[in-house]
Amino acid sequence: ETGVTQSPTHLIKTRGQQVTLRCSSQSGHNTVSWYQQALGQGPQFIFQYYREEENGRGNFPPRFSGLQFPNYSSELNVNALELDDSALYLCASSPTGVGGETQYFGPGTRLLVL
Amino acid sequence: DQQVKQNSPSLSVQEGRISILNCDYTNSMFDYFLWYKKYPAEGPTFLISISSIKDKNEDGRFTVFLNKSAKHLSLHIVPSQPGDSAVYFCAALRGSQGNLIFGKGTKLSVKP
Repeated sequence: ETGVTQSPTHLIKTRGQQVTLRCSSQSGHNTVSWYQQALGQGPQFIFQYYREEENGRGNFPPRFSGLQFPNYSSELNVNALELDDSALYLCASSPTGVGGETQYFGPGTRLLVL
Repeated sequence: DQQVKQNSPSLSVQEGRISILNCDYTNSMFDYFLWYKKYPAEGPTFLISISSIKDKNEDGRFTVFLNKSAKHLSLHIVPSQPGDSAVYFCAALRGSQGNLIFGKGTKLSVKP
């Protein structure tokens, strides 16, 4: 059983650009969640996908969007980047049913917006 | 409005002693509480969880205690080891699946 992987590990963008971050969930995990962790803070929920449909969203604007694919991979897209978008972006996968409350995190993508 | 609070940003403990990390929450509707450990440049790693219908869960050196009347939980690590040095996040969840709500974390340093 492979863990959760994310790419790229680091990324530098300029304000106004667009970025796509990728995540590969654990096999068999139908739910993927994305979190933003700013410096000195705990992770904050962006949104969750279950079987390719958005299944909940946190307090983030529509320029944060996502996709989930049948092969357990997913994407987080951020348009019109702002300086405050600089953070560690984490994806987490979880199984359906028993144990579904446990989310398994990837190593994250560190995004710097200049 | 923080629903999950970790009021101690840091904790220093001697190797072999007990580490106690605390967490308070405000929402009585939470069903699960989880602890994650995070090393620098890595994602959070799941450590231990507890359902709201229990008051204690133990896994090796790690025990989590839940006091629902006080809306308080704690993670005990006994004995503490230098490899336990990391940031520990408390998180809460409504339902079996949904979004985790995290505290700001407590940085634990275990000194040899």
